[in-house]
Amino acid sequence: KAGVTQTPRYLIKTRGQQVTLSCSPISGHRSVSWYQQTPGQGLQFLFEYFSETQRNKGNFPGRFSGRQFSNSRSEMNVSTLELGDSALYLCASSLVVGSNTEAFFGQGTRLTVV
Amino acid sequence: LAKTTQPISMDSYEGQEVNITCSHNNIATNDYITWYQQFPSQGPRFIIQGYKTKVTNEVASLFIPADRKSSTLSLPRVSLSDTAVYYCLVGGNNAGNMLTFGGGTRLMVKP
Repeated sequence: KAGVTQTPRYLIKTRGQQVTLSCSPISGHRSVSWYQQTPGQGLQFLFEYFSETQRNKGNFPGRFSGRQFSNSRSEMNVSTLELGDSALYLCASSLVVGSNTEAFFGQGTRLTVV
Repeated sequence: LAKTTQPISMDSYEGQEVNITCSHNNIATNDYITWYQQFPSQGPRFIIQGYKTKVTNEVASLFIPADRKSSTLSLPRVSLSDTAVYYCLVGGNNAGNMLTFGGGTRLMVKP
């Protein structure tokens, strides 16, 4: 069974640009969550999608957005990139909804903003 | 969501048992306790989850006292490859799949 796939693995963007990251969950998983990891702030929750609906959103500015497609694949978009957006962006998929459900993480997309 | 407190770092030697304790004084009745392991530049990996008493799987044991205000992850006979950051999380179904990570414990296993 294939794991969570995130593309691209590495990305370099310039301040002010926008970026789209992609996540393909494990087959059959309908819940996808996104996290940002930085050395200073650690792992922070961005948002969660289930059946194409955003269920939860973390404390991030509106420049961060996401969506989920009918096949459960998800994308997140960051507009007007800032240097502080440089981070490892992680996607996790789960079979069902609930914090007692095991989350499977992808390897992440390393975004560098210059 | 309950806040967790765990040691910032721990050192151990190969073959030893490692116990990492996590405090979660404000744990709610429907909260589960979950531990994740993360290697550098990789996503976290689920290790073990429990609600009360003791849970054991092929890689670890989780001890939860009756008051559930703390929990201890036990890794038997660690090896160099167990060097990683270990996160303790608490949460319940009303949080959806929103995981709240604390700072984690950086475990260094030495030869």
